[in-house]
Amino acid sequence: EPEVTQTPSHQVTQMGQEVILRCVPISNHLYFYWYRQILGQKVEFLVSFYNNEISEKSEIFDDQFSVERPDGSNFTLKIRSTKLEDSAMYFCASREAVYNEQFFGPGTRLTVL
Amino acid sequence: GENVEQHPSTLSVQEGDSAVIKCTYSDSASNYFPWYKQELGKGPQLIIDIRSNVGEKKDQRIAVTLNKTAKHFSLHITETQPEDSAVYFCAALNTGFQKLVFGTGTRLLVSP
Repeated sequence: EPEVTQTPSHQVTQMGQEVILRCVPISNHLYFYWYRQILGQKVEFLVSFYNNEISEKSEIFDDQFSVERPDGSNFTLKIRSTKLEDSAMYFCASREAVYNEQFFGPGTRLTVL
Repeated sequence: GENVEQHPSTLSVQEGDSAVIKCTYSDSASNYFPWYKQELGKGPQLIIDIRSNVGEKKDQRIAVTLNKTAKHFSLHITETQPEDSAVYFCAALNTGFQKLVFGTGTRLLVSP
């Protein structure tokens, strides 16, 4: 069964460093998302991406964040200068054009020291 | 914007009992309501969903009901098994925006 994959599973970085989180969505999906989950809290929407552009973003997704689909298979989230409060699980999700179901990857745990 | 409330935050049941988790939403324009199961260290897994033109949907031991007038929806799990133990999240979505808004989660513990 096709699934969303994410790498790395765990990323540890120093405050102020740049990180790139990578996702490979399900191959025939056209809509891509990033969500995050701070430990013990609910999952929060960050950004949606379709047709090579951001379609919606939350207030969390400020100028320090960017997304990119550099090729036909990868979808990346970049945080330019990490802060302590960026420590969270980051989930990538994707969906087909017609259906509403969003399928989530296993997540990347980001730890900012 | 949309706000989703979820209750209870924890739920302990004996194997074989039923479990019910309830959610309310605020935006009457929301029209798609999925439920996700999250096991420790894993991403949310879609287990069932319902659209606003349907009042109830069932898939084996899992069912979801939706009351659009009251703006609440519920997850029902019958004949619970220990492997049902996980955190369950409800969510709401306005298909015009495609942004899932999640509830706060319910930790379900099924004891043998």
